[in-house]
Amino acid sequence: AQTVTQSQPEMSVQEAETVTLSCTYDTSESDYYLFWYKQPPSRQMILVIRQEAYKQQNATENRFSVNFQKAAKSFSLKISDSQLGDAAMYFCAYGGSEKLVFGKGTKLTVNP
Amino acid sequence: SAVISQKPSRDICQRGTSLTIQCQVDSQVTMMFWYRQQPGQSLTLIATANQGSEATYESGFVIDKFPISRPNLTFSTLTVSNMSPEDSSIYLCSDEGAEGAFYGYTFGSGTRLTVV
Repeated sequence: AQTVTQSQPEMSVQEAETVTLSCTYDTSESDYYLFWYKQPPSRQMILVIRQEAYKQQNATENRFSVNFQKAAKSFSLKISDSQLGDAAMYFCAYGGSEKLVFGKGTKLTVNP
Repeated sequence: SAVISQKPSRDICQRGTSLTIQCQVDSQVTMMFWYRQQPGQSLTLIATANQGSEATYESGFVIDKFPISRPNLTFSTLTVSNMSPEDSSIYLCSDEGAEGAFYGYTFGSGTRLTVV
């Protein structure tokens, strides 16, 4: 079965600085998707960024980018120019042939 | 991407009672999913609901406790039955999205359930 590990329960960053959230996963599948979701206190799960495994190019969405290392099974999220609105729980998720599998999440605090 | 309306957004219920949570999608979707998120925890899949067939439950979840309906391609309900304080959680529905799994799963806004 696939597993997703987020080793940082909590992270903090100063406003306007850059922070990287870590995620590793384990799978025997060759074709899959990886996602980062943001969950603010409102509880809404918001898709931040997605990556398809066969694409070597790292995905980028405005201030959010990933470092996808397929061989290492690593999928980290970099947030540049952090804003107060970025404060939330961030979940890494794996989507393959079966169900979506989530990591335990990283709570990001943004300090003004 | 689809928009999912979930209600109620929160409820406080007496133990032993049942609560039905509804999710309405603004487009037709094949698969819908129900998750439980216990306090401070990640999301755990309860079941997958396809229109016209019985829901498929994950290990540790049973139909008698969490009956699911999927009457059409835009609607689903999850009932939490015979509730106990251990059922206090956030419950979320999601869909795979009409464009396919790669484009991400859309989630409802969640139902915060407190059982007293």
